[in-house]
Amino acid sequence: NAGVTQTPKFQVLKTGQSMTLQCAQDMNHEYMSWYRQDPGMGLRLIHYSVGAGITDQGEVPNGYNVSRSTTEDFPLRLLSAAPSQTSVYFCASSPSLASQTQYFGPGTRLLVL
Amino acid sequence: EDQVTQSPEALRLQEGESSSLNCSYTVSGLRGLFWYRQDPGKGPEFLFTLYSAGEEKEKERLKATLTKKESFLHITAPKPEDSATYLCAVQLGGSNYKLTFGKGTLLTVNP
Repeated sequence: NAGVTQTPKFQVLKTGQSMTLQCAQDMNHEYMSWYRQDPGMGLRLIHYSVGAGITDQGEVPNGYNVSRSTTEDFPLRLLSAAPSQTSVYFCASSPSLASQTQYFGPGTRLLVL
Repeated sequence: EDQVTQSPEALRLQEGESSSLNCSYTVSGLRGLFWYRQDPGKGPEFLFTLYSAGEEKEKERLKATLTKKESFLHITAPKPEDSATYLCAVQLGGSNYKLTFGKGTLLTVNP
């Protein structure tokens, strides 16, 4: 099993550009989530999904969209990138919402100029 | 107000020098407390889940304990490869299952 994979590993964007961060898991997990990690702050939940076709907002959802068309994939879309979205983004999955033993991907480092 | 507070922010130990990391929480109705390890440039890696006060779990040189308001991660005779950031997270009960993370403790173990 590859576990949780994320692409790209690193991305530079200009303000106003849009992009999609990809996340995939091969463990048949129901629950998937996106976090951002900034210096001096804990991991903050952006969006999450409890199954295909079901998504919900986390703590910091503004400026981001998600969709879950399959169990395996959970892409994160930045609609119009802003410098405040410079961060490291982690995707995670767990067997269910109640079971929060989450498996994290390697992260995507995003720089918005 | 932070719901999860980790201390110290950074800890430097000599190899073999045992110590403890602290995670205190202010939430009520705790469903579970989680410890993760994060190496530089990588995603967090799950270590332990604790569910009730008095519970303890061990893995190699690490032992996690839980009381009603805090958890400790005890590191016995650490080695340089234990150097990492250790993250604590709490999961509330009821209908809110999401994790709330602390800011982490950066542990450096010198040979």
